[in-house]
Amino acid sequence: GAVVSQHPSRVICKSGTSVKIECRSLDFQATTMFWYRQFPKQSLMLMATSNEGSKATYEQGVEKDKFLINHASLTLSTLTVTSAHPEDSSFYICSAPGPAGFYEQYFGPGTRLTVT
Amino acid sequence: TQLLEQSPQFLSIQEGENLTVYCNSSSVFSSLQWYRQEPGEGPVLLVTVVTGGEVKKLKRLTFQFGDARKDSSLHITAAQPGDTGLYLCAGARASGTYKYIFGTGTRLKVLA
Repeated sequence: GAVVSQHPSRVICKSGTSVKIECRSLDFQATTMFWYRQFPKQSLMLMATSNEGSKATYEQGVEKDKFLINHASLTLSTLTVTSAHPEDSSFYICSAPGPAGFYEQYFGPGTRLTVT
Repeated sequence: TQLLEQSPQFLSIQEGENLTVYCNSSSVFSSLQWYRQEPGEGPVLLVTVVTGGEVKKLKRLTFQFGDARKDSSLHITAAQPGDTGLYLCAGARASGTYKYIFGTGTRLKVLA
């Protein structure tokens, strides 16, 4: 099946700094990728849809200037958490529709962000 | 706003028992997926159902999509400890940008 990778898998940063998380589709192209956030023992919350070559579409309540998304190529989307605060600590997961289209989604392994 | 409610939220059963997880919404979805997630990992797709009334089987797992495409169920027969995990349903609403909204999740623990 299609593989999606994320980097880093874990990151610890100090409050006020910015952190970049990468999401790559390894063996297929993805014009669209999705970014989710997951709090402990909770479900996934869709943050934004990343579109290759155009602006990301953010869900209601998600700050665009806080969570910067760039989809510069057909295999890479990045999420930058700017001026991170402890409340931004979470599990961030990306996904991409597989080669068969939107009926199948492949998820990355997630990135655990801890802001101290 | 959580569009998809799953029940039960938590379930702890003995090995060999059967169980059903429900995923309900007041909205219509063009397709619905079920995932299982292990701690610290991304969700893994189990199945996609598209047609109202559709039933799919994956070994001991049976998935059903409601006739009105508003709800779905996952039935596990003779549960095993390896079935332990977080089960998530996700509905796709093809209005504007195609995207999946996740359910509230069901945490299953199967005891040996």
